[in-house]
Amino acid sequence: NAGVMQNPRHLVRRRGQEARLRCSPMKGHSHVYWYRQLPEEGLKFMVYLQKENIIDESGMPKERFSAEFPKEGPSILRIQQVVRGDSAAYFCASSPLAGGEETQYFGPGTRLLVL
Amino acid sequence: GEDVEQSLFLSVREGDSSVINCTYTDSSSTYLYWYKQEPGAGLQLLTYIFSNMDMKQDQRLTVLLNKKDKHLSLRIADTQTGDSAIYFCAETYNQGGKLIFGQGTELSVKP
Repeated sequence: NAGVMQNPRHLVRRRGQEARLRCSPMKGHSHVYWYRQLPEEGLKFMVYLQKENIIDESGMPKERFSAEFPKEGPSILRIQQVVRGDSAAYFCASSPLAGGEETQYFGPGTRLLVL
Repeated sequence: GEDVEQSLFLSVREGDSSVINCTYTDSSSTYLYWYKQEPGAGLQLLTYIFSNMDMKQDQRLTVLLNKKDKHLSLRIADTQTGDSAIYFCAETYNQGGKLIFGQGTELSVKP
């Protein structure tokens, strides 16, 4: 059973460009979470999605950031018009279900560098 | 409120025990977790404890939970240089969904 997959592992963008980060959850997992880790800091929750639904986006910046988890395919975190402050490691996690076994398993992360 | 606190650094000698401490605020947390992060890597789940338990042991790892004081600790017995990493505690917030992480404790193991 493959773990949580994220790609790309490293992404370099210039200010103003768009960044698209992809996450494929573990097989059988229908819940996806995105977290951001700024340098020298812990992880901060961004958004929680189930298939075709955003459950909790309380950690998402109001502008430029969006996330989706379509019926088919990976979850996508999209950052439009990136700025230097968006440079961080973005981690995706998946879990089989909420309210019971809630353990989240993390992917290797995408390290975004904005020049 | 959402707040998880950890001390930032811990240095031990190889073969000693390490104890990493964590305090949390959400008394309704169902599970509490310990994750390990090596440099440049993702988070590896080490262990977790259900909130109605006081202790959980898994090989060299012992987790203690004091629910009254909202205090969680991770003890690593016979610490090895390969245990050098950042250790994060995390709680589930409001019974489901997002994890709230501490700042991480950087464990340095000296030979």
